[in-house]
Amino acid sequence: AQRVTQPEKLLSVFKGAPVELKCNYSYSGSPELFWYVQYSRQRLQLLLRHISRESIKGFTADLNKGETSFHLKKPFAQEEDSAMYYCALTSQAGTALIFGKGTTLSVSS
Amino acid sequence: ETGVTQSPTHLIKTRGQQVTLRCSSQSGHNTVSWYQQALGQGPQFIFQYYREEENGRGNFPPRFSGLQFPNYSSELNVNALELDDSALYLCASSFRGQANTGELFFGEGSRLTVL
Repeated sequence: AQRVTQPEKLLSVFKGAPVELKCNYSYSGSPELFWYVQYSRQRLQLLLRHISRESIKGFTADLNKGETSFHLKKPFAQEEDSAMYYCALTSQAGTALIFGKGTTLSVSS
Repeated sequence: ETGVTQSPTHLIKTRGQQVTLRCSSQSGHNTVSWYQQALGQGPQFIFQYYREEENGRGNFPPRFSGLQFPNYSSELNVNALELDDSALYLCASSFRGQANTGELFFGEGSRLTVL
C-alpha cells in the first residue's frame, strides 16, 4: 500500500536553529515525492519536488530509498517558515497525490 | 493569470441532503482534482477529471460524483450527506502534458458542515 507518514504533528524551534521535518513513505517502485506548504491564511502550494533536486527558500530534501525517507531540512530556520508542511507522493496510477497528515512548524524568536 | 477559485467558501447542510461544490481551474490548466481534508488530516484524493471524464478515483463511495465542463471548470456533488462528510473540500488544477509533474494548484477550499 502507498502511504506517507509524518511522525511529528508539531515541531517548535527557535529562529536560527536547524530544522528537519520527517517524512517516511511506503511505495512499490520508484516514487515521486513532494513537499507542499500552507502558510497562515494562504492556500496549499508546492514547495519542492525530489526530481528537481532544488533548494527553495533554503529548504532541501533528499530521497533516501534505503530508509524510504524524504526529510525536509533547513540549516537556519526563519520566523516566516512557520507553516503547515505536507509530504506527498504520486500514486502508482499517476493521477493522485497521497499526502501525509502534516507537520506544523513553529519558529519563534 | 487567474488562480483556482472555489464556491461556496462555507456551507451547512443536514444529513441526507445533497450538495454541489464548484471550482474554476487556473487559466491554461486542463485537469481538475478534488480532495477531502478532514480536521487534523492531510488532503485525501477523491477523483480527477481530464477531458471531461473521470480519470482516477480514490476510496470514496459512488455518492461522491463530479463533472468537468468544456471550459475545464468542475463540480463535486455529494448525495445523501453523512456527518463524516464534514470537511474542507479542495479543488486543484494542473496541466496534464506528456509527464505528470505532480504540481497541483489548489483553491482555498469549501468548508462543508453536516449537521
